[in-house]
Amino acid sequence: QLQLQESGPGLVKPSETLSLTCTVSGGSISSSNYYWGWIRQPPGKGLEWIGSMYYSGSTYYNPSLKSRVTISVDTSKNQFSLKLSSVTAADTAVYFCARHLHSGSHYSIDYWGQGTLVTVSS
Amino acid sequence: QTVVTQEPSLTVSPGGTVTLTCASSTGAVTSGSYPNWFQQKPGQAPRALIYSTSNRHSWTPARFSGSLLGGKAALTLSGVQPEDEAEYYCLLYYGGVRVFGTGTKVTVL
Repeated sequence: QLQLQESGPGLVKPSETLSLTCTVSGGSISSSNYYWGWIRQPPGKGLEWIGSMYYSGSTYYNPSLKSRVTISVDTSKNQFSLKLSSVTAADTAVYFCARHLHSGSHYSIDYWGQGTLVTVSS
Repeated sequence: QTVVTQEPSLTVSPGGTVTLTCASSTGAVTSGSYPNWFQQKPGQAPRALIYSTSNRHSWTPARFSGSLLGGKAALTLSGVQPEDEAEYYCLLYYGGVRVFGTGTKVTVL
């Protein structure tokens, strides 16, 4: 059974960089056709797709966040990470990591982590 | 910026049927947008239900079905159970960008 687990600071100061890691167990992050990505949800609001990355380096980012976001993959640790720079209170949210399937005829986001709340505050 | 719109809320009786829709500001939703549907209960991570318009995941009950309807993606819940009360989100794929819908709160009453 594939499992994803987010980890990282729960409190980040304004203007600093938010950094989160997602550890994947029960499967390889180097599997073909799978991207690894991040989604967030501000308190009481809807879901926002942040971006995703293939283990070999191909990335997709939300255009509204692209200038501040970096997603990276560490295959040796079976982990992937999110960095969001210059954060403001508007970046306060629950951050979820998730597996994205890309195949010729299908696209899905199937497995999700439980989520981690990150608060931006001084 | 692309906006994906869902009904804010719907109410259904136990055992009844309800259809949720997902519309794109760019025009008709097609299979090429690979519509996905997710269920989220309070305090929980979203759970994947449907992918690529109409495909159920291995854990998705048969009472959930996906389709295209009148230029929109649709999720139909048949024989609704009390545990189906939740927020439902669609997701559309626009090449390099994915956009979640605004969400529909389904109340079972």
